[in-house]
Amino acid sequence: QVQLQESGPGLVKPSETLSLTCTVSGGSVSSGGFYWSWIRQPAGKGLEWIGYASYSGTTNYIPSLKSRVTISVDTSKNQFSLRLSSVTAADTAMYYCARGNSRILSPWGQGTLVTVSS
Amino acid sequence: EIVMTQSPATLSVSPGERVTLSCRASQSVSSNLAWYQHKRGQPPRLLFYGASTRAAGVPARFSGSGSGTEFTLTISSLQSEDFAVYYCQQYNNWPRTFGQGTKVEIK
Repeated sequence: QVQLQESGPGLVKPSETLSLTCTVSGGSVSSGGFYWSWIRQPAGKGLEWIGYASYSGTTNYIPSLKSRVTISVDTSKNQFSLRLSSVTAADTAMYYCARGNSRILSPWGQGTLVTVSS
Repeated sequence: EIVMTQSPATLSVSPGERVTLSCRASQSVSSNLAWYQHKRGQPPRLLFYGASTRAAGVPARFSGSGSGTEFTLTISSLQSEDFAVYYCQQYNNWPRTFGQGTKVEIK
């Protein structure tokens, strides 16, 4: 059974880069047909699918974040990562990683809270 | 961007009751609609895709229906473990978008 676990700093300063890693167990990020996604949810707000990447390098990002976001897959570590540059308080959220097929998401990680504050 | 609107925002229900949750899309998404269940302290869980196809392990008391712009998630007899927030998500267009969620709470 595939499981995912997010990790990374819980506090990031404004204008800096948010970096999170998702470690995959029970499966391989190199498995064909899967895309590896990041989703976020600010407190009291809805879910936002940030984007996804495949092990072969295919990526797709939400237009509102496209200029600041990078999702990449590291097959050697069986992980994938999220980088979001020039963060502001509006980027404070619970961040989830998930496996998907570019359409639906399953399974998800437990989520990690990231706060942007000086 | 397709806007997904869920109603009601909160539903207070007693165990054993039948529950109907609604999801509306701002434009047609065909049957490209998924439902997720999110319990406190747990990751969201996929319940349905294709509007009405149950994901693995989802109990038969859950059913999904609809197409185009109107969708429904029904729980035939609410169990204690079903108290959660339910989200719909369209995957007809990019960006994929979620509804704001319906919280099913104990009455």
